[in-house]
Amino acid sequence: EVQLLQSGAEVKKPGESLQISCQGSGYSFSNPWIAWVRQVSGKGLEWMAFIYLGASNIGDSTIRYNPSFRGLVTISADKSITSAYLQWSSLRASDTAMYYCALAEHGTAFWHLWGHGTLVTVSS
Amino acid sequence: QSALTQPASVSGSPGQSITISCTGTSSDVGAYNYVSWYQQHPGKAPKLLIYDVNIRPSGVSYRFSGSKSGNTASLTISGLQAEDEADYFCNSYTTGTIYVFGSGTKVTVL
Repeated sequence: EVQLLQSGAEVKKPGESLQISCQGSGYSFSNPWIAWVRQVSGKGLEWMAFIYLGASNIGDSTIRYNPSFRGLVTISADKSITSAYLQWSSLRASDTAMYYCALAEHGTAFWHLWGHGTLVTVSS
Repeated sequence: QSALTQPASVSGSPGQSITISCTGTSSDVGAYNYVSWYQQHPGKAPKLLIYDVNIRPSGVSYRFSGSKSGNTASLTISGLQAEDEADYFCNSYTTGTIYVFGSGTKVTVL
C-alpha cells in the first residue's frame, strides 16, 4: 500500500524540543516534494514548510517556509528513505495541533498522498 | 499570505447540487491553473478531490467537478449524498509562499 507513515502522538511541556517524522512507503516516488500542514482543533489547514527530496544536495533552494512559520520550525529530510522531519527547538502551548505531512510529485501542483497525522499536545 | 476565501458553510438536500466558491487574488487563483480541492471527514486526513482546477484523480466520484473564472474557483457536488458531509478546502499555488489553502467550508446534508 502506498502511504505516508507518521510518527506517533506526542505530549510535551512548553520549552521542550520535538521532532516528528513522515516516511513514504509502498511506492518508488519520483523526486517528490513533502510538506507539513498544521491543523488546530476545529480550524483550517495551514501550510508550514516544504522540502524537495529530488535535489542532489538539499539546501536552502529546496526548502520553502510559510513566512508565518519561518524561524519557529525547521524542516529536514533524508531522501534515501523518502522521509521528512519537522522540528521545534522550544515548544509553546500554541503549537498544540494535528500535523499532517503531504506529498506531491515534482512537476505537479497537487498533494495526492497524505499521512494520518501526528497530534502534538503542549501543556504544562 | 492570507487564506483564500470560502463560505463557512453550505448545505443541501440529498440529490441536490451545491457549489463552494474559493476566492483568491491575481497572485494565486487568478495567476495559475493550479487549484486543487480536498475533502476532510472528521478525524481523518484530507483527501484530494480535484487538481489543476478541474481534473479528478482516479477513484474520485464524477459527482465532484471543478471550475475557475478569474480569481474565483468553484467546486460543485452534484447528486448530494450523506457521505459528502465533510469539510472542503481549496488550495492554490501562489507566487508568495508556494501554496495557500482556503478557509474551509463545512458541507451539511440536510
